[in-house]
Amino acid sequence: ETGVTQTPRHLVMGMTNKKSLKCEQHLGHNAMYWYKQSAKKPLELMFVYNFKEQTENNSVPSRFSPECPNSSHLFLHLHTLQPEDSALYLCASSQDRGGNEKLFFGSGTQLSVL
Amino acid sequence: GEDVEQSLFLSVREGDSSVINCTYTDSSSTYLYWYKQEPGAGLQLLTYIFSNMDMKQDQRLTVLLNKKDKHLSLRIADTQTGDSAIYFCAESPLGGYQKVTFGTGTKLQVIP
Repeated sequence: ETGVTQTPRHLVMGMTNKKSLKCEQHLGHNAMYWYKQSAKKPLELMFVYNFKEQTENNSVPSRFSPECPNSSHLFLHLHTLQPEDSALYLCASSQDRGGNEKLFFGSGTQLSVL
Repeated sequence: GEDVEQSLFLSVREGDSSVINCTYTDSSSTYLYWYKQEPGAGLQLLTYIFSNMDMKQDQRLTVLLNKKDKHLSLRIADTQTGDSAIYFCAESPLGGYQKVTFGTGTKLQVIP
């Protein structure tokens, strides 16, 4: 059983829909991340939260809106997406030790935008 | 920005050794990682090496680091069909939990 749970596993949405991805970690970590995985491209870091505070936003379009109500939960709200946003969205968590940051990943949400 | 490069595909026969290579550009890289992604799953940390080391062995896995050439490799001895997966190289600077940079991943296919 993974310590990081993502729902839903699969999502198909139209360009005018609004949907949310959910991530929950049971590891007691203080940092949570959203990554985008597209075929043949490096993993793209989207957002980082540390102790619920957003510490990184890698020039992500505003149609992606993160929310971190507490250190265990992370959401990604989606609105008016484009077909090129279709990808696997991965959530991860880590314990910030100021050094060796081991990331623990969820299984991802496979998103298809029609 | 920092770059991490890997070849996209590697095919080996079961029982042979696999060597997956990675190059990176960030000279301040302190930790280098290998992650494994099986189909339908997220990434799982396999092993890591600190930049002041040049080799680390963990059972069938051997990590070699050439810091001068910024080259990292992962050797899997006696490769099994269960090793078929995508392997990601990643690097981070000291204190850089926000700055982990991943490669494209190398898809390892093990032929029975």
